[in-house]
Amino acid sequence: DTEVTQTPKHLVMGMTNKKSLKCEQHMGHRAMYWYKQKAKKPPELMFVYSYEKLSINESVPSRFSPECPNSSLLNLHLHALQPEDSALYLCAAGVAGGETQYFGPGTRLLVL
Amino acid sequence: KNQVEQSPQSLIILEGKNCTLQCNYTVSPFSNLRWYKQDTGRGPVSLTIMTFSENTKSNGRYTATLDADTKQSSLHITASQLSDSASYICVVRRMDSSYKLIFGSGTRLLVRP
Repeated sequence: DTEVTQTPKHLVMGMTNKKSLKCEQHMGHRAMYWYKQKAKKPPELMFVYSYEKLSINESVPSRFSPECPNSSLLNLHLHALQPEDSALYLCAAGVAGGETQYFGPGTRLLVL
Repeated sequence: KNQVEQSPQSLIILEGKNCTLQCNYTVSPFSNLRWYKQDTGRGPVSLTIMTFSENTKSNGRYTATLDADTKQSSLHITASQLSDSASYICVVRRMDSSYKLIFGSGTRLLVRP
């Protein structure tokens, strides 16, 4: 079983909706990540938080807004998404410095 | 350019057979290489991780090899099971302060009864 949990497992939203994806880990790792993965493609890095501070933003559109309330939680707030944003969104946690990353099960997002 | 290439793109084998997946990389400076297994619609699960000095690492029926000189790695699956059907992703990390992992495109394995 994964030690990184994500909710919800599935999400369907319209282009005018506001929703949030949640990620939680209790491994004590100080780096947390958001990835986007399209079908049959490798994950693409979106954001990296290190010690609850945003350290990397891979030029992600502002309709995706990350938040790290504490060392165990990572949120991804979604607003005014486009159908092409439909994908599997993966959260990962790891030792600061990126040596190891443990992935959550993902949230499958469909934007209509 | 830092790249990770995997072959084959897809593979079909019969249950009980062995198979070997390949990974070539041009990432430099090299820190470590990991093999992940990803079931459809699920997050990747780490199988093995190897550093520069490690040649072989096993995890049950999975055995990974690394040749840092030729920048090649392989993942050998022994006595395949239906549950081995998944994508296998080779991931390399550079030895710098970057958090970025460089992902291969994966090999999609289908094990048939």
